[in-house]
Amino acid sequence: ETGVTQSPTHLIKTRGQQVTLRCSSQSGHNTVSWYQQALGQGPQFIFQYYREEENGRGNFPPRFSGLQFPNYSSELNVNALELDDSALYLCASSLAGYGETQYFGPGTRLLVL
Amino acid sequence: GQQLNQSPQSMFIQEGEDVSMNCTSSSIFNTWLWYKQDPGEGPVLLIALYKAGELTSNGRLTAQFGITRKDSFLNISASIPSDVGIYFCAGLKEGGKLIFGQGTELSVKP
Repeated sequence: ETGVTQSPTHLIKTRGQQVTLRCSSQSGHNTVSWYQQALGQGPQFIFQYYREEENGRGNFPPRFSGLQFPNYSSELNVNALELDDSALYLCASSLAGYGETQYFGPGTRLLVL
Repeated sequence: GQQLNQSPQSMFIQEGEDVSMNCTSSSIFNTWLWYKQDPGEGPVLLIALYKAGELTSNGRLTAQFGITRKDSFLNISASIPSDVGIYFCAGLKEGGKLIFGQGTELSVKP
């Protein structure tokens, strides 16, 4: 176990709805990154949070947004859900400057109908 | 967007056989990583490579960072049933952003 937890484990939403996914980082880790993993694909970087601010973003539209809290936990929010948003959403925690040692949580499986 | 090309996409092997998979990129990375993902879990780091030409082992796993910094391979020797899973290569970009390959799915027949 990596010490990174995510909730919920599974979620079903309909198109147009909004969703919030949560991540608790490993103790002592101050950086959280979020990834989207479509079925049969590798994870794709969404964004990273450090010191409660977005610190790098991948090729995802603004309806993907996030937060980081003082205890380093993080949320991923997706507005106006589309069918293609169906995927496994992974968060990974690390220490700033040690991006090669990102510890991944088990993910949240989101299905958009 | 930037992509890593991983091959093969899947492998079916007999227990005890050796396995080799590789990863290529159109751009240079200064750090290459290999992960394994089991069903229902997130990726777990197996090996990190920091220097062009570097050869690193972790038990039965050996990985090499290509001289051009655009490729890497992973070998697994004497495979066992628990090696089953999906193996991903990843390149580390500045700011801690990981770029992943599409994965190699490994099946091991006892």
